[in-house]
Amino acid sequence: AQKITQTQPGMFVQEKEAVTLDCTYDTSDQSYGLFWYKQPSSGEMIFLIYQGSYDEQNATEGRYSLNFQKARKSANLVISASQLGDSAMYFCAMREENTGFQKLVFGTGTRLLVSP
Amino acid sequence: GAGVSQSPSNKVTEKGKDVELRCDPISGHTALYWYRQSLGQGLEFLIYFQGNSAPDKSGLPSDRFSAERTGGSVSTLTIQRTQQEDSAVYLCASSASGPGANVLTFGAGSRLTVL
Repeated sequence: AQKITQTQPGMFVQEKEAVTLDCTYDTSDQSYGLFWYKQPSSGEMIFLIYQGSYDEQNATEGRYSLNFQKARKSANLVISASQLGDSAMYFCAMREENTGFQKLVFGTGTRLLVSP
Repeated sequence: GAGVSQSPSNKVTEKGKDVELRCDPISGHTALYWYRQSLGQGLEFLIYFQGNSAPDKSGLPSDRFSAERTGGSVSTLTIQRTQQEDSAVYLCASSASGPGANVLTFGAGSRLTVL
């Protein structure tokens, strides 16, 4: 069975610094997708970034980048130049490619607090 | 609509009562999902609708849970004979087909409290 592990329940970072949120995954499949979502206090989940298991380049979306290390089964999210608005819960998730749809398995999340 | 709309935003009910939660997806999105988020946990997949195809119900935790999607748009999640362990935030999401299928757009959720 698939599993996502986020070992950091909470992280603190100062504004304008970079922060790495850890995510490891477990799957026996060769083809899968990895996601990061942000959940601010409003409750809505916001898509941040996607990495396919066969993508050779690490995914980047603005200030977000995904440090994908396939052999270590890790998919850490790096946020550069943190902003106060980045304070939120962050969830790592995985999808098996053969499901054909977004049946995602989520980790328990990391709460990020950005201080001035 | 501009985003995924869910109602009610909060629902408090007594154990044993039935509840209905509504989701209005983004116009034109063919796929609709229900997820559940229990306190301090990540999201748990419940059910998936795609167009007029039969839904994937593999995540529904018991036969007290059911969902329908009328006219390929609005969806209703029904929980019969609610139990205290059903207390959670129920999140609906929709996605487009094709290149946009990777991106789920979520609603703000319906918080259910079963007393």
